[in-house]
Amino acid sequence: ETGVTQSPTHLIKTRGQQVTLRCSSQSGHNTVSWYQQALGQGPQFIFQYYREEENGRGNFPPRFSGLQFPNYSSELNVNALELDDSALYLCASSHGYEQYFGPGTRLTVT
Amino acid sequence: LAKTTQPISMDSYEGQEVNITCSHNNIATNDYITWYQQFPSQGPRFIIQGYKTKVTNEVASLFIPADRKSSTLSLPRVSLSDTAVYYCLVGDIRPSGGYNKLIFGAGTRLAVHP
Repeated sequence: ETGVTQSPTHLIKTRGQQVTLRCSSQSGHNTVSWYQQALGQGPQFIFQYYREEENGRGNFPPRFSGLQFPNYSSELNVNALELDDSALYLCASSHGYEQYFGPGTRLTVT
Repeated sequence: LAKTTQPISMDSYEGQEVNITCSHNNIATNDYITWYQQFPSQGPRFIIQGYKTKVTNEVASLFIPADRKSSTLSLPRVSLSDTAVYYCLVGDIRPSGGYNKLIFGAGTRLAVHP
């Protein structure tokens, strides 16, 4: 147990729809990162937020967007879903070099 | 960020020591080496981090030679529950907390057999 929680656990959406995934950081952690993990691959960095500001972004299109709230919880929004967006979405919180990952949200796009 | 290369898979037996080597030829001066473990349908879990020489914790040891172009994760006396994917990552420490981003490769799939 890392203290990082994500919701929902599983989600099924249709191509073209929009989805919001949520993450609650471990207490005291001011940085949150989001990753996409396709089946059989390593996690791919989407973006990172530090004190409510985007602090870095990976190679993902603008339809992937995020928010970090004053309590350091976070949201990942994906617009215009595509079949290739089907993956495990992980968030990780940190307050130093070690990142603590949540259990992930399994998104299936049909 | 430095790219890493590690074996795709390894097999071992309960009670044996397992060593997983990672190559990172282009590691930068400010880069640290970190290993994560991931079980199916779970997020990765931090195992160990080091900069040079040897680091040991209650779970593993990390050996880093002087040139830092490779590193070896050592798991003593593995059990069935150590079956997982192990990722080697390199990156610098950012003052804001955490890495700017963690670059994961495909990892090494370790299978521990009875």
